[in-house]
This record gives sequence, C-alpha cells and structure tokens, in this order.
Amino acid sequence: KAGVTQTPRYLIKTRGQQVTLSCSPISGHRSVSWYQQTPGQGLQFLFEYFSETQRNKGNFPGRFSGRQFSNSRSEMNVSTLELGDSALYLCASSLSTGTNTEAFFGQGTRLTVV
Amino acid sequence: AQKVTQAQTEISVVEKEDVTLDCVYETRDTTYYLFWYKQPPSGELVFLIRRNSFDEQNEISGRYSWNFQKSTSSFNFTITASQVVDSAVYFCAVNTGGFKTIFGAGTRLFVKA
Repeated sequence: KAGVTQTPRYLIKTRGQQVTLSCSPISGHRSVSWYQQTPGQGLQFLFEYFSETQRNKGNFPGRFSGRQFSNSRSEMNVSTLELGDSALYLCASSLSTGTNTEAFFGQGTRLTVV
Repeated sequence: AQKVTQAQTEISVVEKEDVTLDCVYETRDTTYYLFWYKQPPSGELVFLIRRNSFDEQNEISGRYSWNFQKSTSSFNFTITASQVVDSAVYFCAVNTGGFKTIFGAGTRLFVKA
C-alpha cells in the first residue's frame, strides 16, 4: 500500500512568487491536513480538508490556501512568497477526520524562498 | 488553548543506554488525545503511539514504553537499550478534536555507537 506522496520534494522560489504543493493521500483516506515546520516555530497546523471541504484552519495569513479534489488529493498554495515561508511542508492523511484515526505523514516538501 | 512542552532540546546517549524524553501538556479539555511521533532525517513523521485522556495505563512496545500521568500532565517516552537507528527528532503532541494537533518543539536524540 503506497504511503502519502508529496511533490515536489524540494523547491526553490523567489520572493513574491507563488507556489503550489501537492499531496496524494493513502488510497481510501479522505482527510488531508497540512503542517508547516520551521526551526523557529516548530510544527504548526495549516489546515485540514475532508471530502473537499476545509474543516479546520490554523493561524496563517490568507496567502496560504488549499483545496481538496474529489479523489482526495490536496494542494496547498502560497502566494506572494516571503523569506519566512521557507520551511518543510508536511501533509498527513487519515481515513476520516477526528482524533480517533491515525494520521500518516508524507516526507514533506522543502521550500526555500530566496 | 493547548500547549505541549518538551523541555529537552537535545539529548545525546551512548548506544545501549536507556533514555527518557519528557513531555508536559496543557489543555482545559477533559477529552483529548496524546501522541508521540518520530521524525528521522528523511523528514516524514512516523506515528509511534496515541493515548486518550481516559486511559492512564502505561504501555510497552518492544524497547519503547510510555508513562502517562494525568496528575502531572505528563506523557513521557522511554527508549530502553537505545540504538543508533533511534537517532531522530521526537515530537509529543495533543489533540482535543478535529485534526488540529498541537505539537511540542521536539527533542533531538543522538545515539552514538
């Protein structure tokens, strides 16, 4: 059974550009969540999607957005990139939403903004 | 609001030593879940354990064991007879509903041969 796949693994962008990251959950999983990991702030929750609907959102500016498709694949978009957006972006999938289901994480996309 | 404190930033041990990673959490909710994850150099988070707030039984899984004490809001993780492959960053986390899990800052464990 394939795990959570995040693409691309590495990305370098320039300030002001926008970027789209992709996450393919484990087959059958309907919930996808996104986290940002930085040395200074640690792991911070971005948002969660379930059945194409955003269910929870963290404290991030509107430049961070996401969506989920009918096949449960999810994308997150960051517009007008800032140097501080450099981070490892992790995606997790689970069968359903809520605490009673185990989350499986991908290897992340390492974004560097220069 | 929830908060997780992992006071140990880095721990270095020699192979075969036992090591305990501390985790103290804060939440006003009576129902919550606690987690431990391992993050190897490859980057993904590997799920280790989930414990709900009503189950204070300690758990042992091979060389891993967890001590949950609600009275002190602690959920400590012990690795017995550590191995080099245990070297990683370990995160403790709490979730009180939905999928918004709050993570601690992590403890980086170095196990030297």
